[in-house]
Amino acid sequence: DTGVSQDPRHKITKRGQNVTFRCDPISEHNRLYWYRQTLGQGPEFLTYFQNEAQLEKSRLLSDRFSAERPKGSFSTLEIQRTEQGDSAMYLCASSPDWGAKNIQYFGAGTRLSVL
Amino acid sequence: AQSVTQLDSQVPVFEEAPVELRCNYSSSVSVYLFWYVQYPNQGLQLLLKYLSGSTLVESINGFEAEFNKSQTSFHLRKPSVHISDTAEYFCAVSHNQAGTALIFGKGTTLSVSS
Repeated sequence: DTGVSQDPRHKITKRGQNVTFRCDPISEHNRLYWYRQTLGQGPEFLTYFQNEAQLEKSRLLSDRFSAERPKGSFSTLEIQRTEQGDSAMYLCASSPDWGAKNIQYFGAGTRLSVL
Repeated sequence: AQSVTQLDSQVPVFEEAPVELRCNYSSSVSVYLFWYVQYPNQGLQLLLKYLSGSTLVESINGFEAEFNKSQTSFHLRKPSVHISDTAEYFCAVSHNQAGTALIFGKGTTLSVSS
């Protein structure tokens, strides 16, 4: 069990470009979450998958944001037409479908800088 | 709706001193409570959790937290801190079922000096 893996660790992009991040959850974890963390703030929930189904989306997830988990394993988060306000740490977490009562395990995050 | 308030944004202490990081929450439903720790340039690591049962929960590295339902608090304590405890600490709350969002406080920076 290698933990939650996120790629890339850092992304620098120009305003208006599209970016995509990947998250590989802990194997056999059915539940996957995306959060965003800005400087000086705690993480804020973006969206949640159970297997391949996206069951919840935050109001923070504007139309420019889209997340997928096509086979119920890894997930991608895409931001279209990036804005400077999108600069943040994007965190992925996973949790099992059994037992563990919403204990979420986090990856190291992808830090996005929009110039 | 749920919310979390971490009352101190920064807590500076000397090594071997006791520390308390305060956390209050609000919720209209039964909750799970968590403390996560974040070291520089790293993700969040689960420090300890309250799910049910005993209101006093402990971590393997000497931290403890007590769930106080009447005061809606979940303060984190350690009787003697080490330099290596320097990090950002986040309190979080969720509805008491799997598959729900964690609601985080803004975090408390614990700085331990010698």
